[in-house]
Amino acid sequence: GQQVMQIPQYQHVQEGEDFTTYCNSSTTLSNIQWYKQRPGGHPVFLIQLVKSGEVKKQKRLTFQFGEAKKNSSLHITATQTTDVGTYFCAGPRAGNNRKLIWGLGTSLAVNP
Amino acid sequence: ETGVTQTPRHLVMGMTNKKSLKCEQHLGHNAMYWYKQSAKKPLELMFVYNFKEQTENNSVPSRFSPECPNSSHLFLHLHTLQPEDSALYLCASSQEEGGGLLNGYTFGSGTRLTVV
Repeated sequence: GQQVMQIPQYQHVQEGEDFTTYCNSSTTLSNIQWYKQRPGGHPVFLIQLVKSGEVKKQKRLTFQFGEAKKNSSLHITATQTTDVGTYFCAGPRAGNNRKLIWGLGTSLAVNP
Repeated sequence: ETGVTQTPRHLVMGMTNKKSLKCEQHLGHNAMYWYKQSAKKPLELMFVYNFKEQTENNSVPSRFSPECPNSSHLFLHLHTLQPEDSALYLCASSQEEGGGLLNGYTFGSGTRLTVV
C-alpha cells in the first residue's frame, strides 16, 4: 500500500549544528504537509508545499518539495534547544486527496 | 491554547468501563478527526467528520464509537476497551477535509488513555 517514509528515525545534534530530515513517498503527492510535535505535546502544523521543486523558508527552517513530488526535506540551520521534538510529514492518500498518510516522524534531540 | 480543546487530558479506565472523550473547536472549521497515536507507529486516522457527516471509518473496532452533534463538537465513546488500546487520542480539525492549502490540521492536546 501507499507509504510515506521518513529518515532518519532519530537524530542527536549539538546545539548550533544543522539538521535535515527526509520524507519519501511511494506515490506522487499533490501536496505535502509538515508538523512538529514537542515531547509531551501534540502535532503543530508548520507548512504545506504544493508545487514541484518548491522551496519555502521559515526563519531557520527550509522546506523543499522534490521535482517529482515524491520526496521532501526539512532543513534546520543552527539548531537550538527549542527545535527539540518530532517532525512529521504527511501527504494525501492516492485516489482520495482529502485523507492524509503520515510518516513515522524524525525525533530530534539537541544537546546544549 | 490551540483552538481545539480536548478533555480529559488523562484517563485511566478498566476494561469494563464506559467513558467518553470530548473535543471542541471554535475555529469555524468544517472537518474534524480522531487520531490514535501509539509509540513507534504512524499517526492512525480513526474517524473523519465533514460538516457533521462521517466520511471515514478506518476499520475501527466497534468498541470505539464516534459522535458529532454539530460541526464544533466531537466525541469518542469508549466501552470494553483492551490494554492495547492505551495510546494518545488526538482530535484535530481543518478548514476543509484534508487540511486545506494554508493551515493544515489543528490538533488538540490529546487524551492520554491507559486501559488497565
